[in-house]
Amino acid sequence: DAGVIQSPRHEVTEMGQEVTLRCKPISGHDYLFWYRQTMMRGLELLIYFNNNVPIDDSGMPEDRFSAKMPNASFSTLKIQPSEPRDSAVYFCASSTGGFGNSYNEQFFGPGTRLTVL
Amino acid sequence: KQEVTQIPAALSVPEGENLVLNCSFTDSAIYNLQWFRQDPGKGLTSLLLIQSSQREQTSGRLNASLDKSSGRSTLYIAASQPGDSATYLCAVKSGAGSYQLTFGKGTKLSVIP
Repeated sequence: DAGVIQSPRHEVTEMGQEVTLRCKPISGHDYLFWYRQTMMRGLELLIYFNNNVPIDDSGMPEDRFSAKMPNASFSTLKIQPSEPRDSAVYFCASSTGGFGNSYNEQFFGPGTRLTVL
Repeated sequence: KQEVTQIPAALSVPEGENLVLNCSFTDSAIYNLQWFRQDPGKGLTSLLLIQSSQREQTSGRLNASLDKSSGRSTLYIAASQPGDSATYLCAVKSGAGSYQLTFGKGTKLSVIP
């Protein structure tokens, strides 16, 4: 398996522009997570999905952020309009549900480094 | 609210030394704890996952222990190598009904040849 795939790897945009980040989870994983990492706040969960349905979006910072998962193999995180304080590395992760020794282990993608000028 | 702390924030050791990284959490009602490695500019690589009913997990030169009652976990690295240099993060999953991981801010490890 190729692991969790994210695109683009780097994104530089100007304030006010729309930004769309993309994620393909590991095949067979029914949970998908979006995280944001900054020096100040570390890794924070933004939202997670189970079977394509958003379960907890309490970490989404503002209405400017939205996430969708139209099918089991694709998710997007959109920021509209973007602001300089949104600059961070955004990670997508996936896992299986259920119980057992290795269930719930989260596997991370390489991240998208977003810079908003 | 669960809080996860990792001390020290940075650690430098000579090659070959055994070392211990520490992780503490405020709410002992956890479901599992996961240790990750993050290389500069890269994503997170899962190293070990310990379920709340377990006391330790081993993988190669790595051994992670969990003391849920005291809110602590340690990651032991034997015979450290320069390739072990990275930031190590621990994360806890609180409760079977939630899939949210709460992360510490990590310990940046440098192994000097």
